[in-house]
Amino acid sequence: AQTVTQSQPEMSVQEAETVTLSCTYDTSESNYYLFWYKQPPSRQMILVIRQEAYKQQNATENRFSVNFQKAAKSFSLKISDSQLGDTAMYFCALIAGGSEKLVFGKGTKLTVNP
Amino acid sequence: GAVVSQHPSRVICKSGTSVKIECRSLDFQATTMFWYRQFPKQSLMLMATSNEGSKATYEQGVEKDKFLINHASLTLSTLTVTSAHPEDSSFYICSANYVGGETQYFGPGTRLLVL
Repeated sequence: AQTVTQSQPEMSVQEAETVTLSCTYDTSESNYYLFWYKQPPSRQMILVIRQEAYKQQNATENRFSVNFQKAAKSFSLKISDSQLGDTAMYFCALIAGGSEKLVFGKGTKLTVNP
Repeated sequence: GAVVSQHPSRVICKSGTSVKIECRSLDFQATTMFWYRQFPKQSLMLMATSNEGSKATYEQGVEKDKFLINHASLTLSTLTVTSAHPEDSSFYICSANYVGGETQYFGPGTRLLVL
């Protein structure tokens, strides 16, 4: 079975600063994908970034980057130059093996303060 | 690209009535669509997986006779909450992925309130 753990229920950061959200996962599969989704107050789930397990290079999307530590089964999200619009719930998620099902963590509520 | 719509965005109904929620992939074909339920301040809970032209696969504990899912085409799936009761009030979200893809793209969700 696959599991995803987000150990930080809530975090806050000042505007323009950098924040890192933690995520650890567990799977016995060698082929898997990891995702970070953002859910702002509108509750629309938005894909932030994805990482294929076979790729050693960490994924980056503008101000968002990940630190993928495969041996440690860690997949943290770094948000640089935080903006007020980054305030949201952030969910780490995993798809492993041939499964189509996303396994979600419990989420981290991030607040960006002006 | 990869836009998923849901309709309606909000619905209020009386107890005992049925409510249909539509999920459409607007700019891609989706072999698989997923239906989730989300309680306040919680993560998403997968209810069922639907594939075009076949019966949906329901997660353990989800009543398939209560939550009817029809995946009529590669761009449309519907969830019908039958004989709705107040405990069915929730936020329902659908998602879809590309043919052969693994990334799920989500609709904006539907808030259901059963009085």
